[in-house]
Amino acid sequence: EVQLLESGGGLVQPGGSLRLSCAASGFTFSSYAMSWVRQAPGKGLEWVSGIYGSGDSTYNADSVKGRFTISRDNSKNTLFLQMNSLRAEDTAIYYCAKDPRGSMQGYFDYWGQGALVTVSS
Amino acid sequence: DIVMTQSPDSLAVSLGERATINCKSSQSVLYSSNSENYLAWYQQQPGQPPKLLIYWASTRESGVPDRFSGSGSGTDFTLTISSLQAEDVAVYYCQQYYSTPYTFGQGTKLEIK
Repeated sequence: EVQLLESGGGLVQPGGSLRLSCAASGFTFSSYAMSWVRQAPGKGLEWVSGIYGSGDSTYNADSVKGRFTISRDNSKNTLFLQMNSLRAEDTAIYYCAKDPRGSMQGYFDYWGQGALVTVSS
Repeated sequence: DIVMTQSPDSLAVSLGERATINCKSSQSVLYSSNSENYLAWYQQQPGQPPKLLIYWASTRESGVPDRFSGSGSGTDFTLTISSLQAEDVAVYYCQQYYSTPYTFGQGTKLEIK
């Protein structure tokens, strides 16, 4: 059974940093691309970042470019999102999502339960 | 960026009746080389993460009831629930994966009339 478990969310001040993790199990992690998708409170879905199964290529939304970095450790079956220079508008539930292909097909067949990030002073 | 626009924003349908949700993309998501539409549909029930229902515009994900169907091509797409069940109350999102940044529609809230 595919499982994705996010951790690392919390309250952070504007300008601060936070690192999210997503522990994956139930599939061959290195064979599949992964993404982070966020959802502001009461709002819709926004794709944030994606990474190939190999980790060789990454893609980011313009809204987070230069501030967020996606990475993965295939030896530990874990996906990461390093978030720097956080803004109030980054407040959201951050979902880890699995792609059905190694090189980012672009849709998501499994999602984690999400980690809440709140940016506030 | 490709803008996805859903209609209506909310919808109330009686149990057993048909529900139809529309999705329009600002540019075609039909890839000419393979004739595939890069369009997915998700269901998000209250307090839950999204769940994949449909991909390639009309391919149902494994385990999704056959009352859910997707249709359309190019820029205009439809999600149809043929006979609404109580457990279908949710917000539904379309998503294009033709190009990054991948983008979602604003969501359609489906309720029971």
